[in-house]
Amino acid sequence: RKEVEQDPGPFNVPEGATVAFNCTYSNSASQSFFWYRQDCRKEPKLLMSVYSSGNEDGRFTAQLNRASQYISLLIRDSKLSDSATYLCVAYSGGGADGLTFGKGTHLIIQP
Amino acid sequence: DGGITQSPKYLFRKEGQNVTLSCEQNLNHDAMYWYRQDPGQGLRLIYYSQIVNDFQKGDIAEGYSVSREKKESFPLTVTSAQKNPTAFYLCASSTNGGVNEKLFFGSGTQLSVL
Repeated sequence: RKEVEQDPGPFNVPEGATVAFNCTYSNSASQSFFWYRQDCRKEPKLLMSVYSSGNEDGRFTAQLNRASQYISLLIRDSKLSDSATYLCVAYSGGGADGLTFGKGTHLIIQP
Repeated sequence: DGGITQSPKYLFRKEGQNVTLSCEQNLNHDAMYWYRQDPGQGLRLIYYSQIVNDFQKGDIAEGYSVSREKKESFPLTVTSAQKNPTAFYLCASSTNGGVNEKLFFGSGTQLSVL
């Protein structure tokens, strides 16, 4: 069974701090990974894609550890607007059946 | 602007009633998907279509039906056989490029039972 596990949180973090959360996946055949951001009752929006060891985009860094089968998301200098739920997705190929979503990590940035 | 449009934003279903959720995209994407999201849960795949006039069941297809008569449109019908339809429904599309399965989502439809 393919599973993607995330700590649901909430993570309460002061503005300006650095926060990191992990996502573990059970399917060793997973080829690529995605972090989506979802605001309450809104659609998920792609934050970052990871195809090799990691990716960085501004304040956001994703690191992939294939040996331990986890992927992390690091947010530096957190902003109030970063408050959202972050969904981890693993793709193991074969089309839509190969996408597995985690339940999400809820992040709250406090002023 | 290119995008994916879902309607209505809110929908109420009476017991025994079939309801249809609309999903239209002008991104020229081949693949389209329907997901269901329950509070505190991950997205679960209902149906997907990789090409016009073809679609496959996802993990939770029972009680749902779809059609793909046009590339741009992928409506989802929630039938009376779906006994627990209250959820947030998300339509998505992608270029169906294999490894690079980035999804573009519509804004969702919240379905509730009266």
